[in-house]
Amino acid sequence: AQSVSQHNHHVILSEAASLELGCNYSYGGTVNLFWYVQYPGQHLQLLLKYFSGDPLVKGIKGFEAEFIKSKFSFNLRKPSVQWSDTAEYFCAVKMTGGFKTIFGAGTRLFVKA
Amino acid sequence: DVKVTQSSRYLVKRTGEKVFLECVQDMDHENMFWYRQDPGLGLRLIYFSYDVKMKEKGDIPEGYSVSREKKERFSLILESASTNQTSMYLCASSFPSLGQWAFGDGTRLSIL
Repeated sequence: AQSVSQHNHHVILSEAASLELGCNYSYGGTVNLFWYVQYPGQHLQLLLKYFSGDPLVKGIKGFEAEFIKSKFSFNLRKPSVQWSDTAEYFCAVKMTGGFKTIFGAGTRLFVKA
Repeated sequence: DVKVTQSSRYLVKRTGEKVFLECVQDMDHENMFWYRQDPGLGLRLIYFSYDVKMKEKGDIPEGYSVSREKKERFSLILESASTNQTSMYLCASSFPSLGQWAFGDGTRLSIL
């Protein structure tokens, strides 16, 4: 069965530190990939998405993600986090042409001011 | 911007009650979804619909049913609520060919 793994359940960083959140999926076919963010008390928002083309995708708020097909990975990065990046981050994978999107368990990021 | 509206932000019901969660989207999206969100488990798909009156089971459909009589509205029904259905419920809609996805604010449902 297809699955999405996020390696860290909790990450604590100081402001200005660099961030990398891991995401791996298990599916051999063509996929669409997403990162969502959920700020405390708010709804899920799309951070960035990859459908095709350049595997390095830039999203909102300075986030980027790199799709490495050979590693089935789509890691999220930010060079310098801010206190306002404190949130829960979800990786999601959808098989191209399919309907279901599978989500990872989420990573809670806490940025210390 | 696409707007997905869930009828209630917070809901408290009793065991055995029939519970309706409503979701409306305003962008003529084909696909609509109901997920539940539990700590450490992420988002899990309950049911989805790709057209009016069409529905498909997701990963955890037991204890739930859905209704999609109109394109803009997708209802989740707990036939006989149980305490293990206490959770955050999220509705989403999408238009895949345009890469459009949107989630509602969520309904935090407590079953006592």
